[in-house]
Amino acid sequence: NAGVTQTPKFQVLKTGQSMTLQCAQDMNHEYMSWYRQDPGMGLRLIHYSVGAGITDQGEVPNGYNVSRSTTEDFPLRLLSAAPSQTSVYFCASGTVVNTGELFFGEGSRLTVL
Amino acid sequence: GEDVEQSLFLSVREGDSSVINCTYTDSSSTYLYWYKQEPGAGLQLLTYIFSNMDMKQDQRLTVLLNKKDKHLSLRIADTQTGDSAIYFCAESNDYKLSFGAGTTVTVRA
Repeated sequence: NAGVTQTPKFQVLKTGQSMTLQCAQDMNHEYMSWYRQDPGMGLRLIHYSVGAGITDQGEVPNGYNVSRSTTEDFPLRLLSAAPSQTSVYFCASGTVVNTGELFFGEGSRLTVL
Repeated sequence: GEDVEQSLFLSVREGDSSVINCTYTDSSSTYLYWYKQEPGAGLQLLTYIFSNMDMKQDQRLTVLLNKKDKHLSLRIADTQTGDSAIYFCAESNDYKLSFGAGTTVTVRA
């Protein structure tokens, strides 16, 4: 009963380093997305995908890349980390029909020094 | 996001009702949602309402929707300590969900 799995849960980076946050879901959902959560700002959409091979930008895409080579996986890449990217990152998946409910992972807390 | 607004904090006595308010901007949203986030966890869907409904009741939860004013509220009856969490209002737009900043509900004894 895995649902949406994110790794790592915690990560500390130095400015300029790169890393990838992993996200996998086992519910055969077409839709996957990445949000960042910052105090007082709620969740802001970074990138999303409506199916394998299809990605699009959300509200705050700068500094992040994504790819969707399989239905299950949707990694988020930070190319050159900056302190402004210190945040909690959530991956979420869902179906594009019916109620549009999103299922969230437990989050990845990233600190950029 | 800036399209969905809600107050940031609510303190309520155990056993009282909680009311969390939200305003949104996209009148074409098909569904509006309330998500709950407990400490250290991701968000979980609490309830949702279809845009052509005015009210939805689900056990202790009542959702009211005023489409004219683009106002959504969540009422929790008989609030318990387990209801302490952050509650997010969200609207849907073309697969994407836009979230408010979240209302932190603190239940005091």
